[in-house]
Amino acid sequence: KAGVTQTPRYLIKTRGQQVTLSCSPISGHRSVSWYQQTPGQGLQFLFEYFSETQRNKGNFPGRFSGRQFSNSRSEMNVSTLELGDSALYLCASSQTGPNSGNTIYFGEGSWLTVV
Amino acid sequence: GEDVEQSLFLSVREGDSSVINCTYTDSSSTYLYWYKQEPGAGLQLLTYIFSNMDMKQDQRLTVLLNKKDKHLSLRIADTQTGDSAIYFCAGTSGNTPLVFGKGTRLSVIA
Repeated sequence: KAGVTQTPRYLIKTRGQQVTLSCSPISGHRSVSWYQQTPGQGLQFLFEYFSETQRNKGNFPGRFSGRQFSNSRSEMNVSTLELGDSALYLCASSQTGPNSGNTIYFGEGSWLTVV
Repeated sequence: GEDVEQSLFLSVREGDSSVINCTYTDSSSTYLYWYKQEPGAGLQLLTYIFSNMDMKQDQRLTVLLNKKDKHLSLRIADTQTGDSAIYFCAGTSGNTPLVFGKGTRLSVIA
């Protein structure tokens, strides 16, 4: 069974640009969550999607957005990139969500560097 | 909201047991997880425990949950150099997303 797949694994962007990251959850999983990991702030929740609907949202500015497709694949977008957006972006997959007692699996992450 | 605290560093000798501790604030935390992160990698799910359990054992891993003190621990028996990594405790309650601790960096000395 394939795990959680995130693409791209590494990318470098310039301030002001925008970026789109992709996440393919484990087959049969309908909940996808996104987290940002930085050395200073640790792991912070961005948002969660379930059946194409955003179910939870963290405390991030509107420049951070996401969506989920009918096949449960999810994308997140960051517009007008800032240096502080440099981070590891992690996607988590579970059957019905983190509050349902399902096991939650993470991908290898996308390393974003903003220069 | 939920807050999760972990000690930042732990150093053990190869072959010894490691105990990583975690405390959480939300008494309604229902599901508690341990993840391992190696350099440059994502989060690997190690084990999890539900609030109606006191202990869970999985090969070299033992999780203990003290609900009264809101304390969770992960014991790794016969610690190996390959266990060197950062270990994250995470919890969730109700309709909340996972909340993570800052992580404990485990160093195993050969």
